Amino acid sequence: SQQGEEDPQALSIQEGENATMNCSYKTSINNLQWYRQNSGRGLVHLILIRSNEREKHSGRLRVTLDTSKKSSSLLITASRAADTASYFCATDSNTGKLIFGQGTTLQVKP
Amino acid sequence: DAMVIQNPRYQVTQFGKPVTLSCSQTLNHNVMYWYQQKSSQAPKLLFHYYDKDFNNEADTPDNFQSRRPNTSFCFLDIRSPGLGDAAMYLCATSSPLAGGLTDTQYFGPGTRLTVL
Repeated sequence: SQQGEEDPQALSIQEGENATMNCSYKTSINNLQWYRQNSGRGLVHLILIRSNEREKHSGRLRVTLDTSKKSSSLLITASRAADTASYFCATDSNTGKLIFGQGTTLQVKP
Repeated sequence: DAMVIQNPRYQVTQFGKPVTLSCSQTLNHNVMYWYQQKSSQAPKLLFHYYDKDFNNEADTPDNFQSRRPNTSFCFLDIRSPGLGDAAMYLCATSSPLAGGLTDTQYFGPGTRLTVL
């Protein structure tokens, strides 16, 4: 069964705007990760946030984690056309493996 | 640069004709994974090797097999591809801490499999 679910499924914004994607999960986790996938390519790891962390930054990326609500958000600030991609959250399951959400497809228009 | 390499990037095979996809890594990671990803879907774990130990997912069809002859290489064999096996196949590696499997994974570019 799916652990992470993402919202929205698709997002279209103008260059320079901020993009926010959300991920909800069902069971307790040790960590949550975000990955980016450009069309027809493999996944690239963006950020890992552990269950005892509430917020993490990496360049223009900001990830928050609310374990009480079992949710996480990924914020991309000052978006660029090159940010156009699918973004997946991944959580560890009770079997110790990563379970990926269905992803959010982000389109950044120049 | 240390990386995960998949060959070929695009593979076309015929219905029922065996096919092998390859993955190599220069990261010296002890875990290697194979995922299947269909269009607009999440990657689905097929199996993984933790060193030489093979771990099959319960819902992975018997049609899918894997070999890991050494630390650097891992192969995905599809014995009799069906039309439903057309997908992107992703190889990933990790070097998990404390024996877990949930730390950062490093992905190859994928192999797009077409079944005619």
